[in-house]
Amino acid sequence: QQPVQSPQAVILREGEDAVINCSSSKALYSVHWYRQKHGEAPVFLMILLKGGEQKGHEKISASFNEKKQQSSLYLTASQLSYSGTYFCGTVISGSRLTFGEGTQLTVNP
Amino acid sequence: NAGVTQTPKFQVLKTGQSMTLQCAQDMNHEYMSWYRQDPGMGLRLIHYSVGAGITDQGEVPNGYNVSRSTTEDFPLRLLSAAPSQTSVYFCASSTGLAGLHNEQFFGPGTRLTVL
Repeated sequence: QQPVQSPQAVILREGEDAVINCSSSKALYSVHWYRQKHGEAPVFLMILLKGGEQKGHEKISASFNEKKQQSSLYLTASQLSYSGTYFCGTVISGSRLTFGEGTQLTVNP
Repeated sequence: NAGVTQTPKFQVLKTGQSMTLQCAQDMNHEYMSWYRQDPGMGLRLIHYSVGAGITDQGEVPNGYNVSRSTTEDFPLRLLSAAPSQTSVYFCASSTGLAGLHNEQFFGPGTRLTVL
């Protein structure tokens, strides 16, 4: 069951904020967020687990509403390096991590 | 540590040919998986493994086989290549029994073209 991401694309000026949303029609065990730059492999940003635990490397914040099966990734004071495609991945049950189609973020000077 | 390595980086096949994409990790990760990414699309799960000797199908398994004889290696076999299998293939691994709820480390990818 592929999660649905919105928006599909967003263009920002440096310093602006953005929110990327991820939703599922089924109850989630965890939500993963990754960023991929053109021609490169996806890179881990954050995991949000059922029950409230979060794991992440970068200074990027996210929320996980278990009741609504939704997660949001908050990009504040965007930098040029934030440009790329953001993917959310979800675990519903079993051992499958499935990804959405991605949100393309462009940050301009 | 080399992390997750994939070979080859690029490959061109003719329709009907078979080949194996190699994936190896040196982090002693239990969980490994294969994804394909088509232009402008997300990552679609092909097969995954929760440990040596254990594999299962993902969203798009048709036309692909996997095996996991060791913790380190997780090769992906294309049985009879078709143009629809033209894609970028990523292998990923993560740690622990709950590997699915930990960071996935992705390899650099293999770009496959089937003519």
